[in-house]
Amino acid sequence: QVQLQQWGAGLLKPSETLSLTCAVYGGSFSGYYWSWIRQHPGKGLEWIGYIYYSGSTYYNPSLKSRVTISVDTSKNQFSLKLSSVTAADTAVYYCARDRFRGPNPNAFDIWGQGTMVTVSS
Amino acid sequence: DIQMTQSPSTLSASVGDRVTITCRASQSISSWLAWYQQKPGKAPKLLIYKASSLESGVPSRFSGSGSGTEFTLTISSLQPDDFATYYCQQYNSLLTFGGGTKVEIK
Repeated sequence: QVQLQQWGAGLLKPSETLSLTCAVYGGSFSGYYWSWIRQHPGKGLEWIGYIYYSGSTYYNPSLKSRVTISVDTSKNQFSLKLSSVTAADTAVYYCARDRFRGPNPNAFDIWGQGTMVTVSS
Repeated sequence: DIQMTQSPSTLSASVGDRVTITCRASQSISSWLAWYQQKPGKAPKLLIYKASSLESGVPSRFSGSGSGTEFTLTISSLQPDDFATYYCQQYNSLLTFGGGTKVEIK
């Protein structure tokens, strides 16, 4: 049973960098796309970006200038960094795995538990 | 960027009703569409992928159809556990979610 466990700072000040990590347990890391998605309070889902197990990254154009997603295959982990946060980045952040191995991204079948990140001075 | 438009945004229905939610893409996405169910405080759950393929373990009352730019999610007989918010998602070009449809008790 594949599980994603995520963690990171839940309270940030404006201009700081958001940093979250997602660890993969009980399954292979290889061959999949791994994504970050966020959900503003009471709102819909917003895809942030994904990384292929090999390290190739793709980002939402609206966030691209501030986002970095990286992977550590030795630890079966991938991470999100979002720089220069503002109150508009307050949201629940989820990590997720694609339903099928690559070569193309597809639907998400496994999700992390979500991390509430609040940006406030 | 591909935009995904869901309708309606809110739907009031009763147990046993047939429910249909529509998702339109701003350009053709072939069949690269997924549907998710989300309940408050929980991560979304995959229901349908590739427009009409039912995810393992999902009840057969859920079905998806469509291709190109217009897609539907149908719940054939609404059950108490189905009151939730539903999202479509395209994965033809990067990824985009629809705005969501909240299914409420009538």
